[in-house]
Amino acid sequence: AQKITQTQPGMFVQEKEAVTLDCTYDTSDQSYGLFWYKQPSSGEMIFLIYQGSYDEQNATEGRYSLNFQKARKSANLVISASQLGDSAMYFCAMRLYNFNKFYFGSGTKLNVKP
Amino acid sequence: GAVVSQHPSWVICKSGTSVKIECRSLDFQATTMFWYRQFPKQSLMLMATSNEGSKATYEQGVEKDKFLINHASLTLSTLTVTSAHPEDSSFYICSARRLYSGANVLTFGAGSRLTVL
Repeated sequence: AQKITQTQPGMFVQEKEAVTLDCTYDTSDQSYGLFWYKQPSSGEMIFLIYQGSYDEQNATEGRYSLNFQKARKSANLVISASQLGDSAMYFCAMRLYNFNKFYFGSGTKLNVKP
Repeated sequence: GAVVSQHPSWVICKSGTSVKIECRSLDFQATTMFWYRQFPKQSLMLMATSNEGSKATYEQGVEKDKFLINHASLTLSTLTVTSAHPEDSSFYICSARRLYSGANVLTFGAGSRLTVL
């Protein structure tokens, strides 16, 4: 069963504007972690931000913030002040602490327009 | 910061030959590494979990005899694609867990693009 859902195959955003990339997840576990990764055209997966299921505050890392809504099982990534270098694929991932695996969503391709 | 080095970045081989891909954790010890496969414009598919000093755990549908994984030390895991065929052409990417703010985060290598002629 699919555990991570990213419903936006592609997104466009104007440079310097904010953009939200959606991610919903499905688990009955209480302990889990949520992650966002960026994959530029070079292929490398770059870790952006992490949110633990017990964290009460939304995670932030510079221009990245994670809008964590536990009851809705969503973990949207917000990128503020988009830059041209933000154009890439973005993957949402979840780790269930009882299992030694990370589950990845299908990804969202973000294009930042000048 | 934690770095995972993957080599080679690109490899082209003839059908029927074997190809070895190395994944090294450069500044930390990795008892567990993960091997993923990614087809163009698709997500990462977990192939196997590599455990130092023991056999790898393969995901359902992944042929263990086709994709040999060896994790002989705390800093090195290798994936060997045996008797490669064109359908094995793909992007292979390894990762290792590292601690970040008390949580285990996956750190990825740069990936290896395999083309089998």
